[in-house]
Amino acid sequence: DAKTTQPTSMDCAEGRAANLPCNHSTISGNEYVYWYRQIHSQGPQYIIHGLKNNETNEMASLIITEDRKSSTLILPHATLRDTAVYYCIVRVVYNFNKFYFGSGTKLNVKP
Amino acid sequence: DAGVIQSPRHEVTEMGQEVTLRCKPISGHDYLFWYRQTMMRGLELLIYFNNNVPIDDSGMPEDRFSAKMPNASFSTLKIQPSEPRDSAVYFCASSPPGTGNAAQHFGDGTRLSIL
Repeated sequence: DAKTTQPTSMDCAEGRAANLPCNHSTISGNEYVYWYRQIHSQGPQYIIHGLKNNETNEMASLIITEDRKSSTLILPHATLRDTAVYYCIVRVVYNFNKFYFGSGTKLNVKP
Repeated sequence: DAGVIQSPRHEVTEMGQEVTLRCKPISGHDYLFWYRQTMMRGLELLIYFNNNVPIDDSGMPEDRFSAKMPNASFSTLKIQPSEPRDSAVYFCASSPPGTGNAAQHFGDGTRLSIL
């Protein structure tokens, strides 16, 4: 099963775009890419997911490379409340026991 | 809309005692998950249910742990007897029926400390 590699931490200035990379070079054709985040002392929060195409919702955009070996989560205008640990996860649909969260990226949004 | 509700938020008890954690999933969701989070091991899936039936309990650490889902709106995770190494934050999550790629919605967790 595909695992992911993310930087341990990143800084971003408030109001600027935050671009969080994720490497999933061993992803297979039936695995989706999910992004969650966890704000301190809260449960993980779903952000977005995709299979091949780029996706956008009210929270973020997900850019998946054509070979699907990496992706980038974009928070267009980061705020202090976006400070959290961001998890990139790949999993096969319905394979819930393979929902591996990993260590994530700690995003620090600074004023 | 109410999210996933967990109780208690914090639990402190002595080693050997029985601990029961409770979860109310989002109405209409037919999948329910129990996770455990520690600094050392991160977030681990313990067990999940579909339509109140346990589907995969391979993540349950040992026989001291048990989980039930008597109906669509309630689930429990029980530890008996509890040990200090069980100290962690336990999360419950639920997801709706559908294509199987739906997002999981998490509660705010129960912080468990076993002394």
